[in-house]
Amino acid sequence: NAGVTQTPKFRILKIGQSMTLQCAQDMNHNYMYWYRQDPGMGLKLIYYSVGAGITDKGEVPNGYNVSRSTTEDFPLRLELAAPSQTSVYFCASSFAAAAISFGPGTRLTVL
Amino acid sequence: KNEVEQSPQNLTAQEGEFITINCSYSVGISALHWLQQHPGGGIVSLFMLSSGKKKHGRLIATINIQEKHSSLHITASHPRDSAVYICAVKDTGNQFYFGTGTSLTVIP
Repeated sequence: NAGVTQTPKFRILKIGQSMTLQCAQDMNHNYMYWYRQDPGMGLKLIYYSVGAGITDKGEVPNGYNVSRSTTEDFPLRLELAAPSQTSVYFCASSFAAAAISFGPGTRLTVL
Repeated sequence: KNEVEQSPQNLTAQEGEFITINCSYSVGISALHWLQQHPGGGIVSLFMLSSGKKKHGRLIATINIQEKHSSLHITASHPRDSAVYICAVKDTGNQFYFGTGTSLTVIP
């Protein structure tokens, strides 16, 4: 199993540009999450999904959108990128009663 | 107030020392996780526990549900243990809450 995969690994955006961070898992996990990690800070939940077709906001959803059309994929869309969205983004997945698995992260810089 | 508090924030130890990292939480949980993050690296799950104690190699994790407290111990610490250790709890609604991490440096 590849586990949780994320692309791209790094990206630099200009203010106002848009992009999609891709996330996929091959473990048939029902739960998927997007977190951001700012320097020296803990992980903050952006959006999560409890299954295909179901998504919900986390702690810091503004400026982001997600979709979950399949169990495997959970892309995160940034519209109108802002410097405040410079961060490392982690996708994660889990079963309800199982350990959480993280992707390798996407380091995003908005200039 | 954070739902998960860790201490210490930073820890420096000599190789071979016994290390303890503490985690306290304020929500009802279904499980507690200890995670490891190396500099510039991804996040790896070390333990998931809901009661008692688990051991994996030189790592031991304990949890006291009544006191809402968990500890991560590292015996015979080694420089390769240098990383950020993150405590995370999963509440009964399947939401995760994360501590801000403990940055451990083990000096040879």
